[in-house]
Amino acid sequence: ETGVTQSPTHLIKTRGQQVTLRCSSQSGHNTVSWYQQALGQGPQFIFQYYREEENGRGNFPPRFSGLQFPNYSSELNVNALELDDSALYLCASSIDRARGNTIYFGEGSWLTVV
Amino acid sequence: GDSVTQMEGPVTLSEEAFLTINCTYTATGYPSLFWYVQYPGEGLQLLLKATKADDKGSNKGFEATYRKETTSFHLEKGSVQVSDSAVYFCARLAGNMLTFGGGTRLMVKP
Repeated sequence: ETGVTQSPTHLIKTRGQQVTLRCSSQSGHNTVSWYQQALGQGPQFIFQYYREEENGRGNFPPRFSGLQFPNYSSELNVNALELDDSALYLCASSIDRARGNTIYFGEGSWLTVV
Repeated sequence: GDSVTQMEGPVTLSEEAFLTINCTYTATGYPSLFWYVQYPGEGLQLLLKATKADDKGSNKGFEATYRKETTSFHLEKGSVQVSDSAVYFCARLAGNMLTFGGGTRLMVKP
């Protein structure tokens, strides 16, 4: 039990649609990161939010966007879904942009694009 | 760029066997190093970490030592159990980003 909760746990979308995934971080954690894990691969960093501002981005197109709210919860939005977006999306929370602090992951949201 | 390389799996062992999963990382900067475990259908659980050279992380019988001279962080366990069957990920943290290896599937047979 990491204290990081994600919703929904599973969802199916059609190519071209938009999706919003949600994450509640562990109590006291002000930093949220999102990762994409394709089947059989390691997670890939999408972006990080620290105190409601984007604080770094991986190699993902602009149709991947996010938000962080004053209570440090976060959303990941993906527009114009493509088949290759099918993956497990993991939210991770930490204190003060990680910097050696422990990073805790949620159970993930499984997205299938058909 | 930063990268992490793990031995490819699957690794199949009998219960009580000794486990080693190799992990090497790029030496840019002074990363913190982690091992995460993923059970079927679940998210990532932190197994252990080390934040500087020669640190040893340990948890639940698993150990890994941060070796700067060989840029390695190999995972070991003296006696594996069936319940250890999972996918193990080595990762480096530099700045605000974790970079993961491709994962190594471990299967432990009774």
